[in-house]
Amino acid sequence: LAKTTQPISMDSYEGQEVNITCSHNNIATNDYITWYQQFPSQGPRFIIQGYKTKVTNEVASLFIPADRKSSTLSLPRVSLSDTAVYYCLVGDGSSNTGKLIFGQGTTLQVKP
Amino acid sequence: EAQVTQNPRYLITVTGKKLTVTCSQNMNHEYMSWYRQDPGLGLRQIYYSMNVEVTDKGDVPEGYKVSRKEKRNFPLILESPSPNQTSLYFCASSLPAKGVANEQFFGPGTRLTVL
Repeated sequence: LAKTTQPISMDSYEGQEVNITCSHNNIATNDYITWYQQFPSQGPRFIIQGYKTKVTNEVASLFIPADRKSSTLSLPRVSLSDTAVYYCLVGDGSSNTGKLIFGQGTTLQVKP
Repeated sequence: EAQVTQNPRYLITVTGKKLTVTCSQNMNHEYMSWYRQDPGLGLRQIYYSMNVEVTDKGDVPEGYKVSRKEKRNFPLILESPSPNQTSLYFCASSLPAKGVANEQFFGPGTRLTVL
């Protein structure tokens, strides 16, 4: 499993765009990049997943450069309700493996 | 409604008193997993199950047991709880395990305190 590195915390203000970068230098050819969001005392929730280039859904965008050694989760125009912990996971999508590593994640604090 | 349920949601117990936290999913998922979450340590995987009768250790399995006799249930057993197992526990499930490639669905969590 590729190791990921994220900032421990970030601050932002309502209405701003927030970009959280995850470093995964040892990403393998078959690895996918997945992001989860967790609110206090709740289980994590899947946000977005990608393999290369750019993925966008109704919640966020995920930018993955050509070398795939990092990825950036982009949250457009955040609100107070986006205050949460965001986890980046990288792992093999082609073979069965049950081990997942969430790490500490990035705590995003959105201020009014 | 598709969901993962855990019981109990809150539990206070004493050292050495065996307990079981139940986890059940109604999505016919093959993969299930248990995590614990502690301040400053993030989510750490305890055990996982790729399918019925197939279980394996995660990163922090010491002091825990699991069983997977049916596809929908994956109980977490603490034979002799100790204070260092005080934590917030989450159960999760997904379609056939393909590493992180399948979306994990998490339960609401069980807050356990061992005195």
